[in-house]
Amino acid sequence: DGGITQSPKYLFRKEGQNVTLSCEQNLNHDAMYWYRQDPGQGLRLIYYSQIVNDFQKGDIAEGYSVSREKKESFPLTVTSAQKNPTAFYLCASSLQGAGETQYFGPGTRLLVL
Amino acid sequence: GQNIDQPTEMTATEGAIVQINCTYQTSGFNGLFWYQQHAGEAPTFLSYNVLDGLEEKGRFSSFLSRSKGYSYLLLKELQMKDSASYLCAVNRGGATNKLIFGTGTLLAVQP
Repeated sequence: DGGITQSPKYLFRKEGQNVTLSCEQNLNHDAMYWYRQDPGQGLRLIYYSQIVNDFQKGDIAEGYSVSREKKESFPLTVTSAQKNPTAFYLCASSLQGAGETQYFGPGTRLLVL
Repeated sequence: GQNIDQPTEMTATEGAIVQINCTYQTSGFNGLFWYQQHAGEAPTFLSYNVLDGLEEKGRFSSFLSRSKGYSYLLLKELQMKDSASYLCAVNRGGATNKLIFGTGTLLAVQP
């Protein structure tokens, strides 16, 4: 079964702590994306990667970091510099190229203790 | 600037038809997507329009007018399971596949 997986489903962060959200896909997609979803707001793009070993900042990259060492994996680290990290985080992937459909993982809900 | 507008909430009756509108103003355009999202779950793809006109897919249809910056999603024969948020998203154009999302329309289907 092809798809996108995210783990964990829920994640708790203490003040000053970095946490890493996992995203894996077996759709053989080149492009991967991280979004943040807050109540009353649309999905906002954090980072995206069009190909292995390359990634670009999205609209709200401050306080986040990513890596793309493998085609299948695009982990997101929420650093202590992100002052308001509580949100629903969604990972997506697509074939490379404009106009390609993005397919989403089930999401990780991050809560701050 | 970049802006996508959708109604915040709508209510409809089981078995009826509902139309969810989306207007957009973006610096680039390479197609418009509609996604369905149930509470706490991932958005799932419904439709993609890049040319003007109506695309029909079962109970769901989507329309695009590029000159008016306008799209709508039409849901027929509403079912209770159609209660969800419906997200309008515009591809920004250029070489990348970046989307800008509206805030979503929460549809409640009542018996």
